[in-house]
Amino acid sequence: TQLLEQSPQFLSIQEGENLTVYCNSSSVFSSLQWYRQEPGEGPVLLVTVVTGGEVKKLKRLTFQFGDARKDSSLHITAAQPGDTGLYLCAFDSPQQNTGTASKLTFGTGTRLQVTL
Amino acid sequence: ETGVTQTPRHLVMGMTNKKSLKCEQHLGHNAMYWYKQSAKKPLELMFVYNFKEQTENNSVPSRFSPECPNSSHLFLHLHTLQPEDSALYLCASSQGNTDTQYFGPGTRLTVL
Repeated sequence: TQLLEQSPQFLSIQEGENLTVYCNSSSVFSSLQWYRQEPGEGPVLLVTVVTGGEVKKLKRLTFQFGDARKDSSLHITAAQPGDTGLYLCAFDSPQQNTGTASKLTFGTGTRLQVTL
Repeated sequence: ETGVTQTPRHLVMGMTNKKSLKCEQHLGHNAMYWYKQSAKKPLELMFVYNFKEQTENNSVPSRFSPECPNSSHLFLHLHTLQPEDSALYLCASSQGNTDTQYFGPGTRLTVL
């Protein structure tokens, strides 16, 4: 069973601070996805990383895929209260039989709270 | 119009009740999914439907019964649930196996 462990589990920081959250596994993935889930909402896809060593930026968010494609990190610069939420990494296993639906497996999540 | 909608948003039911959760997607997608998100476990896939056909049942107890009458609607029928079934139930849809899954806001279920 492929598992995704995320750390830290909880993080409470003040506005303006930087932070990094991690997504680790012993398995190799063809790609990893990062989601943010705000209170009362479903997860929303932020980015997909595909190539080992890849770095993607989304405004103040920087995503990195490990060289061995077993882990990924998310770094937030100058956090804002709007960044508050649950950050989830996930990998996708396209269904073998049908080939036309996917099967997401999610990590344990990091709950981030940014206060003024 | 919101892409994926779920009703009700909150539901409280007794262990002997029968209720149904509804999901509707307005994105023209062909695949729909039910996920369970509880406090103590990672978000986990329950069922997958592709073109109205169930293609995945992730060892879900029979007290959860999904129904997909067409590619736009997905139901989850609930009966004789247990308190440990209390969770946020999320619906999602996607166009195919390489496309993004879009999630609804979820139904917060409490079983007394």
